[in-house]
Amino acid sequence: DGGITQSPKYLFRKEGQNVTLSCEQNLNHDAMYWYRQDPGQGLRLIYYSQIVNDFQKGDIAEGYSVSREKKESFPLTVTSAQKNPTAFYLCASSISADSPLHFGNGTRLTVT
Amino acid sequence: AQKVTQAQTEISVVEKEDVTLDCVYETRDTTYYLFWYKQPPSGELVFLIRRNSFDEQNEISGRYSWNFQKSTSSFNFTITASQVVDSAVYFCAGWDSGGYQKVTFGTGTKLQVIP
Repeated sequence: DGGITQSPKYLFRKEGQNVTLSCEQNLNHDAMYWYRQDPGQGLRLIYYSQIVNDFQKGDIAEGYSVSREKKESFPLTVTSAQKNPTAFYLCASSISADSPLHFGNGTRLTVT
Repeated sequence: AQKVTQAQTEISVVEKEDVTLDCVYETRDTTYYLFWYKQPPSGELVFLIRRNSFDEQNEISGRYSWNFQKSTSSFNFTITASQVVDSAVYFCAGWDSGGYQKVTFGTGTKLQVIP
């Protein structure tokens, strides 16, 4: 079955460490996205990519980095520069920018 | 910039009651798409509907219906005869052809259906 796989489901890190969240899709979608979800704030866009080897900053890109070397993969690195990294992270993909988003199950990151 | 407003933070209803979730989308563009997503307790968002700005026909899918009124920029979602399985957070979202070519989400409405 086609879909988006995010791993791991839960991730724990010490403050000051970088951590990379995985996102893989087999839907053959061109566009991929990373969202952050905090209680009461909805989903906020971190980065998005509409094509391989290209990506753009979203609304809250500071402290995050991404790469898009393959169509299927869009990993997100949470760096030590991100001041409040503890959150629920959702990866999504779509056929095009105006199409419905398909979401993964999310990764809950806790930094202490 | 686009703005999606979901004024209802949390709603509780008793099973079998009807419930309407409100959404207002503000944009300068005349061409845009609106979406509704459901996020059950498991966390994965599920797409429910997409509507473009030129189509003001109401849509019905089983117990779900959507009412889009361009004049008030509202895209409301009604669940008829609610069930416990409808308990979730519902997000309204919008995309328009200007700006950053990205989807903007509202803050979500948490619906609790009490048996």
